[in-house]
Amino acid sequence: GNSVTQMEGPVTLSEEAFLTINCTYTATGYPSLFWYVQYPGEGLQLLLKATKADDKGSNKGFEATYRKETTSFHLEKGSVQVSDSAVYFCALREGYNTDKLIFGTGTRLQVFP
Amino acid sequence: DAGVIQSPRHEVTEMGQEVTLRCKPISGHDYLFWYRQTMMRGLELLIYFNNNVPIDDSGMPEDRFSAKMPNASFSTLKIQPSEPRDSAVYFCASSYHEADEQYFGPGTRLTVT
Repeated sequence: GNSVTQMEGPVTLSEEAFLTINCTYTATGYPSLFWYVQYPGEGLQLLLKATKADDKGSNKGFEATYRKETTSFHLEKGSVQVSDSAVYFCALREGYNTDKLIFGTGTRLQVFP
Repeated sequence: DAGVIQSPRHEVTEMGQEVTLRCKPISGHDYLFWYRQTMMRGLELLIYFNNNVPIDDSGMPEDRFSAKMPNASFSTLKIQPSEPRDSAVYFCASSYHEADEQYFGPGTRLTVT
């Protein structure tokens, strides 16, 4: 079945460091891909998305490129801030016939000053 | 819009008691999702509705769990009887079919002792 695999955390970085959180997926057809972020004590929020191969999603300095050849959607940010500390979830939507999302297990990011 | 509203935010109950969690989706959204989040299992989709009709309840763990959506602005998730292993954060989310993003509520933290 369809699935999403994320790197395990926590990821611990100093402020202004470069961030990569790996995400790979298994899916039939042409899924849409998403990154959601969960700040402490809150629900998940959409961070960025990409709906077809080679699309790049971006928001708040974060980027991810939909790579069909490697079935990946890695999240990157050039310079993290303490306020980026949160849990990041990679997710896929299987296609046009469903609104169901399949989430990865989440990766906790901790940024220290 | 106030966003997705969930109540209560925290619930502590004793094993064997009935628990009812409530959700008000964003007005105009036609999809509603119930998720459960635990450290061990991550984020799990329990059930989702389209236009108040349950579409996929394959994630509902067992018969002790039930969900209803009597109208477009209200849904409940009921656990009867509750057990300590039901302790988790329960999220409600809503979306509009033509859009990709699911909007999450703040969650209900359930503790069953």
